[in-house]
Amino acid sequence: QKEVEQNSGPLSVPEGAIASLNCTYSDRGSQSFFWYRQYSGKSPELIMFIYSNGDKEDGRFTAQLNKASQYVSLLIRDSQPSDSATYLCAVKKLSGTYKYIFGTGTRLKVLA
Amino acid sequence: KAGVTQTPRYLIKTRGQQVTLSCSPISGHRSVSWYQQTPGQGLQFLFEYFSETQRNKGNFPGRFSGRQFSNSRSEMNVSTLELGDSALYLCASSLGLAGLSGTDTQYFGPGTRLTVL
Repeated sequence: QKEVEQNSGPLSVPEGAIASLNCTYSDRGSQSFFWYRQYSGKSPELIMFIYSNGDKEDGRFTAQLNKASQYVSLLIRDSQPSDSATYLCAVKKLSGTYKYIFGTGTRLKVLA
Repeated sequence: KAGVTQTPRYLIKTRGQQVTLSCSPISGHRSVSWYQQTPGQGLQFLFEYFSETQRNKGNFPGRFSGRQFSNSRSEMNVSTLELGDSALYLCASSLGLAGLSGTDTQYFGPGTRLTVL
């Protein structure tokens, strides 16, 4: 079992719809959770992070964390073609000091 | 505030050669992590340096090494290159704070695309 799992996709949604991206993690000691967006041929850029159970909103993006279910998700409202990218989930866990574990990413396609 | 910079952006090497990649973190960031990204494996953690000390290490062979200087700049070296080392090498910097702190977020540089022929 991978430490951080994401569906590779592609997830296709029509323009204007809500895109829902999911991530599960195996280590209950995980502390913080991050969502990155990566365009083809580019480096990952941070969208947002969350470390408390519940929802956190930032513009069109909402991160949801459920530590009991070891589940974190990212909702993108009013999806735009420019949101088409790979979305990486990262988990920060305590391991000696701490380390970041990345999922393999979900490819999102927003159809115009 | 300037972002993370990496040099060179592109490299072409042949098998058996060695290569050194450089990373300058965001000003004030003391932690530098290195990742290898390939289409099949995703982002794989190589190692992390904090205050000139290697604090964490991933599961890569000893051919992969790194160091960090007093100004937090970091270099990564790969010796005896193999075809499978062809990848995008990403550097990420952060404050390096342990514990529950969402403020300690990693920011990535543009990467170095290494091609081994």
